[in-house]
Amino acid sequence: AQSVTQPDIHITVSEGASLELRCNYSYGATPYLFWYVQSPGQGLQLLLKYFSGDTLVQGIKGFEAEFKRSQSSFNLRKPSVHWSDAAEYFCAVGNSGNTPLVFGKGTRLSVIA
Amino acid sequence: EAGVTQFPSHSVIEKGQTVTLRCDPISGHDNLYWYRRVMGKEIKFLLHFVKESKQDESGMPNNRFLAERTGGTYSTLKVQPAELEDSGVYFCASSQGTSAYGYTFGSGTRLTVV
Repeated sequence: AQSVTQPDIHITVSEGASLELRCNYSYGATPYLFWYVQSPGQGLQLLLKYFSGDTLVQGIKGFEAEFKRSQSSFNLRKPSVHWSDAAEYFCAVGNSGNTPLVFGKGTRLSVIA
Repeated sequence: EAGVTQFPSHSVIEKGQTVTLRCDPISGHDNLYWYRRVMGKEIKFLLHFVKESKQDESGMPNNRFLAERTGGTYSTLKVQPAELEDSGVYFCASSQGTSAYGYTFGSGTRLTVV
């Protein structure tokens, strides 16, 4: 069975600082990996996804993520955080079939001046 | 292109009452999913429709929950009778192809059972 672990429940960073949100997955075959963001009062928005190929994927809003098979990780990064990035971030895993995505518990990001 | 629409956005009901949540997917999306997030927990899968058929309802918590998708268009999720533990945010998502391409989510319905 697929599973996702986001070990950090809440992270606080200063505006302009770099960010890395951790995600570890469990899946026997090649996973399809996603990062979603939920801003207050909004739905989940897809930031980026990985299927195959280049293990460093670029997404919207200046985010990127790197797939590391050896570590079963798909960490999300941003070089310089903006106050508007304060939100909750969810990592999810899927596969090539039509089974539903499995989500982690989310990491809440706070940004301070 | 209109997104996934859910309503109501909020609902507060008393224990034992009935509530119906509605989801309008993106037009042409055959796949429709319901998820739920209880406060502080992960977003958990409830069920998956392909057109009007239930492809997977393994995540439905119990028989108090009933989902339908009329004519393969909009979907409703009814909770009857509601219990306190049903409180949470119910998300609907749709996709044109398989889940591998990611979903488009609605803004969710926040259900509070008191």
